[in-house]
Amino acid sequence: SQLAEENSWALSVHEGESVTVNCSYKTSITALQWYRQKSGKGPAQLILIRSNEREKRNGRLRATLDTSSQSSSLSITATRCEDTAVYFCATGYNQGKLIFGQGTKLSIKP
Amino acid sequence: EAAVTQSPRNKVAVTGGKVTLSCNQTNNHNNMYWYRQDTGHGLRLIHYSYGAGSTEKGDIPDGYKASRPSQENFSLILELATPSQTSVYFCASGQGADSDYTFGSGTRLLVI
Repeated sequence: SQLAEENSWALSVHEGESVTVNCSYKTSITALQWYRQKSGKGPAQLILIRSNEREKRNGRLRATLDTSSQSSSLSITATRCEDTAVYFCATGYNQGKLIFGQGTKLSIKP
Repeated sequence: EAAVTQSPRNKVAVTGGKVTLSCNQTNNHNNMYWYRQDTGHGLRLIHYSYGAGSTEKGDIPDGYKASRPSQENFSLILELATPSQTSVYFCASGQGADSDYTFGSGTRLLVI
């Protein structure tokens, strides 16, 4: 079974709108990372949020972490067509392992 | 610029043949990882390494070997390739679970 998983397979919003991708995980973690993968490319790290942090921002991106409910969210404001991609959460463990969820496909419509 | 470079970008192999996928990083990271990506499964960890000379099994190591001869290089070896190993393989480097990770552009492997 997945140690980390996003809660939606796919989301679609219009350009300029905001969108949130949610992630849940099953065990104690060191950190949680959010990645974006565009078609034909490798994943690119967006935000790393450590287990003692509750929120992290990177430009239009905002990640939250709730260790009590073992969940995280990634919000994107003022979406653009170039935000179209698959978004992954990945949970990090003391051994250095990084385990990925199955990803949420986000489509931004013009 | 620090980077992770994978070779080859595309590979066609025959069933039963040996395949070696190579990865080089210029990030000076201690940890390196091999993942495979298949539709519906996200990225799954095959092998990883904490440094030169070390390799550890990930979540799906069967049918794969790994080699870390130096800080910069990490190889994934399929001794007897099977069609079920057709996939896209990604290499990554990092300093630990709470550090920045960098991924390569991937190797698309087709086993026929």
